[in-house]
Amino acid sequence: EVQLVESGGGLVQPGGSLRLSCAASGFTFSSYWMHWVRQGPGKGLVWVSRINSDGSRTSYADSVKGRFTISRDNAKNTLYLQMNSLRAEDTAVYYCARDYGDIDYWGQGTLVTVSS
Amino acid sequence: EIVLTQSPGTLSLSPGERATLSCRASQSVSSSYLAWYQQKPGQAPRLLIYGASSRATGIPDRFSGSGSGTDFTLTISRLEPEDFAVYYCQQYGNSPRSFGQGTKLEIK
Repeated sequence: EVQLVESGGGLVQPGGSLRLSCAASGFTFSSYWMHWVRQGPGKGLVWVSRINSDGSRTSYADSVKGRFTISRDNAKNTLYLQMNSLRAEDTAVYYCARDYGDIDYWGQGTLVTVSS
Repeated sequence: EIVLTQSPGTLSLSPGERATLSCRASQSVSSSYLAWYQQKPGQAPRLLIYGASSRATGIPDRFSGSGSGTDFTLTISRLEPEDFAVYYCQQYGNSPRSFGQGTKLEIK
C-alpha cells in the first residue's frame, strides 16, 4: 500500500524557516517524481514544487522561488521541503504527492502557520 | 502559465440528480493531460479522472470525464450522498502544473 506521511509543520514567525519531510513507503520511491502542493485555509489547491526521480531537476511556483528548496533522499525514501523567509501567505496545509503524470497519491498533509 | 477556470463555483443538487462540472483552460491543454480530483473536508484530494476521460482505480462508473483542447467536463450521472464534496481540475501537460479554483457540490 502506497503511503506518504508528512511531518515538520508547525507555528513559525514571519521571516523564519521550517523543513518539511515526507516519508514514502509501499512503492519504489526512487522511480517517481514527487510534488509539494499546498492549500491555504478555506482555499483551493496550489502547486508549489516538483522534483524528478533522481533529484537532479527541480521546479517551483513563482510565489516560492528563491525561498523554498525541494530535495529528496532516495536511500531514506524521504522527500523534503526547506522553507525560508516565510510569510503569512505561506500559511497552509502542505501535501506531499506522487507524480504519475497526474498526481495519483497524496499524503494527509502537514499544517504550517506563519504568524507572530 | 495555463489558468484553469471552473464553473459553477457552487452547485446545489439532490441525491440521484446528474451533476455537470466545467473546467476551461486559458490555452490548449497538451495531449488532454487533464485530471479531476475530489476533496472532502479534512481529507487529502483523491484522483478521480486522468487523461481527461480515464477513471482512476476504484472510481465508480457514475463518474465520467470528457473534453479536449480548452474545455473539459466532469459528469456524475446519479449523485450519491458521498459525492458531495469539492472538485478540482488540474492540467499536467504544461509547466507549471496548475489547478482550477474548485467547484463545491452541495446538497440542495
